[in-house]
Amino acid sequence: GENVEQHPSTLSVQEGDSAVIKCTYSDSASNYFPWYKQELGKGPQLIIDIRSNVGEKKDQRIAVTLNKTAKHFSLHITETQPEDSAVYFCAASNPGGSYIPTFGRGTSLIVHP
Amino acid sequence: EAQVTQNPRYLITVTGKKLTVTCSQNMNHEYMSWYRQDPGLGLRQIYYSMNVEVTDKGDVPEGYKVSRKEKRNFPLILESPSPNQTSLYFCASSWGTGLESPLHFGNGTRLTVT
Repeated sequence: GENVEQHPSTLSVQEGDSAVIKCTYSDSASNYFPWYKQELGKGPQLIIDIRSNVGEKKDQRIAVTLNKTAKHFSLHITETQPEDSAVYFCAASNPGGSYIPTFGRGTSLIVHP
Repeated sequence: EAQVTQNPRYLITVTGKKLTVTCSQNMNHEYMSWYRQDPGLGLRQIYYSMNVEVTDKGDVPEGYKVSRKEKRNFPLILESPSPNQTSLYFCASSWGTGLESPLHFGNGTRLTVT
């Protein structure tokens, strides 16, 4: 089955700095890679996703890059703000495989004012 | 408002006392699933359902049951809860298969089994 590794588990930055979270996956057939943000006391919420036919996608301060050859994808947050503090999860799934999307273990991002 | 609603938000029970956590979505999604979240382990899928009366096991199904009698509802049943089922539980739904479309999560149910 699919295996997703996510690093780092904790990331502490100063407000205004950039933050990068990296994930690797094992199933070369995976082709959908969403990122979720989980704020305290809430469920995860999709913030951006990318499909395998695209190498990069941006949405304001958030971007995701995908390297299919190396089987890794990354979340980039620029000009971080305190409200970006949350737990972030990456996921990978293969529509032709089992119906179980696989999540990384999460990154706790702390943005210091 | 499009949402996934779980109840209750908090639940404390004793070993062996059957309980049900309800989940309902108002987006007419076909795919629904249950996850548990434990520190350091991320989100692990318990069961999923592709449609009414169609359910299947996820990665950690032992000790859990589900049913999908209606499209909008997907309850999670613990027939004989044990302390190792103490966890934070999330219900999620998706318009696709859940594999190529985003998941919409509820706000979670924190379960403590003593």
